[in-house]
Amino acid sequence: GAGVSQSPSNKVTEKGKDVELRCDPISGHTALYWYRQSLGQGLEFLIYFQGNSAPDKSGLPSDRFSAERTGGSVSTLTIQRTQQEDSAVYLCASSGGLAGELFFGEGSRLTVL
Amino acid sequence: GIQVEQSPPDLILQEGANSTLRCNFSDSVNNLQWFHQNPWGQLINLFYIPSGTKQNGRLSATTVATERYSLLYISSSQTTDSGVYFCAVDNQGGKLIFGQGTELSVKP
Repeated sequence: GAGVSQSPSNKVTEKGKDVELRCDPISGHTALYWYRQSLGQGLEFLIYFQGNSAPDKSGLPSDRFSAERTGGSVSTLTIQRTQQEDSAVYLCASSGGLAGELFFGEGSRLTVL
Repeated sequence: GIQVEQSPPDLILQEGANSTLRCNFSDSVNNLQWFHQNPWGQLINLFYIPSGTKQNGRLSATTVATERYSLLYISSSQTTDSGVYFCAVDNQGGKLIFGQGTELSVKP
């Protein structure tokens, strides 16, 4: 696509529910990144993919968080048993390769009640 | 891991003024980018500049990799320049780490 597309743009869920956030990168971009931004804060690195592989998962906050990428394209970030502290904007970015320019989507705003 | 520090944390300007934002980093880098996050939350890529100098209109950036800092210059600021400016660096070929940002407010 022309830009990085994320869905849903807004998600309100109840504590304890599972959520899935989707990212569709720019066509042809091999690298894909997930970040989290809490209100008024900077960007916290979660995970990146090169192709379908995730060389560094150290940024995932807990084992409730997981991410996958299939076909070298779309990625899904899954949060199980959501907690109120998971409330944040989840941002996805893609790049033509590692150490390349990042282009961000508009984010998915997650609110856990 | 690599550390990124941005200064100043906040900046208020009158429209038409110039400003310089700074980004210090703790190790050599193979990727450095400047981003602008507008008041609606959208992150826009301003410069990809692991070294050297680039200019784009009223904005320019310089990275002195040997001294581990980068500067973003904004000239003749406009109200639409308001928002948060982030510097992000990577030295591992993948994990781009963001600074805490400089929040800029341009007053008419």
